[in-house]
Amino acid sequence: GAVVSQHPSRVICKSGTSVKIECRSLDFQATTMFWYRQFPKQSLMLMATSNEGSKATYEQGVEKDKFLINHASLTLSTLTVTSAHPEDSSFYICSARPAGGNTGELFFGEGSRLTVL
Amino acid sequence: AQTVTQSQPEMSVQEAETVTLSCTYDTSESDYYLFWYKQPPSRQMILVIRQEAYKQQNATENRFSVNFQKAAKSFSLKISDSQLGDAAMYFCAYRAAGTASKLTFGTGTRLQVTL
Repeated sequence: GAVVSQHPSRVICKSGTSVKIECRSLDFQATTMFWYRQFPKQSLMLMATSNEGSKATYEQGVEKDKFLINHASLTLSTLTVTSAHPEDSSFYICSARPAGGNTGELFFGEGSRLTVL
Repeated sequence: AQTVTQSQPEMSVQEAETVTLSCTYDTSESDYYLFWYKQPPSRQMILVIRQEAYKQQNATENRFSVNFQKAAKSFSLKISDSQLGDAAMYFCAYRAAGTASKLTFGTGTRLQVTL
């Protein structure tokens, strides 16, 4: 089956620093990747849609300058949390849709837990 | 806008018994997909079952089956012969057909499995 890998799985950083999270599709090409945020005991909230070779589309209320998304290749999307603050602490999950796929299914990474001190 | 509603925050089932998790959705689209995802404590999202809206037949995957009522916009998940490993958060999700269509999740149902 299709595999999506996220790295790092856990990261702790100081307030004011920037953190980059990578999302890789290991055995398929993904023209579209999605970034979600999940607070404890809550559902997944879509932050942005990442399109290969073009700008990401952000959901309402998500600061694009705060959460930088780059999708430079068909197998890699990155999310950079800039000038992180404690309220940015959360679980971030990416998902990817195989190019040419016709099942509608998205494949998820393992998630990245960010803790900002 | 599409919305997905799960009205049961928590459910409990005894091992070997059957449990049904409810989900309703709202959409104006005619072509879409519905999913049930399982999220265990590891937080990894695991696809349990998928249903294409154009298919009238309910999807089944071993002990998991759905009751898809398109007119009522209802998509419930039935777990038969429940096992301890089924304990997790279950999310119902909707996705319109289309390359860049996003996946919209319900609020989730926490399933407990007791001995």
